[in-house]
Amino acid sequence: DSGVTQTPKHLITATGQRVTLRCSPRSGDLSVYWYQQSLDQGLQFLIQYYNGEERAKGNILERFSAQQFPDLHSELNLSSLELGDSALYFCASSARDRGTYEQYFGPGTRLTVT
Amino acid sequence: AQSVTQPDIHITVSEGASLELRCNYSYGATPYLFWYVQSPGQGLQLLLKYFSGDTLVQGIKGFEAEFKRSQSSFNLRKPSVHWSDAAEYFCAASNQGGKLIFGQGTELSVKP
Repeated sequence: DSGVTQTPKHLITATGQRVTLRCSPRSGDLSVYWYQQSLDQGLQFLIQYYNGEERAKGNILERFSAQQFPDLHSELNLSSLELGDSALYFCASSARDRGTYEQYFGPGTRLTVT
Repeated sequence: AQSVTQPDIHITVSEGASLELRCNYSYGATPYLFWYVQSPGQGLQLLLKYFSGDTLVQGIKGFEAEFKRSQSSFNLRKPSVHWSDAAEYFCAASNQGGKLIFGQGTELSVKP
């Protein structure tokens, strides 16, 4: 158990819909990262937050957005969903501010768009 | 562009045999390096990491990895593989703890 939690575990929704994925980092970790894992693209970095502020952006579509709240949990919002958005979405956290740079991953949310 | 390459998509080894999974990176400067393991339907578990210092690093579950700057490599090894090691293995790199760039993954199968 990494200490990072993600909900829900599975999500099935239809094209055009909007969903929200939730992540709680390890206790005390200020940095949260979101990744997408798909068969054709592999593991891709989406976005990073640090203590509520966006720090880095990767291959994140404009239909996707994220935020980190004062209690440090983070949400990834996916809208106008397309079939190609079906993937496993991971959240990770790190204690980068305390000088450790490894990222610990949650169990993921499997999104299926039908 | 920064990249991580795992040349082997799939490897099969016999139980008890030794294992080496290859990883090469292309970065402007030496990145921080990691190996993660993913069992089917599971998240990513950190096996080991390299930041600096000793080029041979020990990890969990009996794994080790050797950093070779001259070859831009960070290969994962295990002297004796167990059936429970069957999984997908990812090499990853980052610049001082920023975003991780992953290799394509190597799927390990273990023959009885």
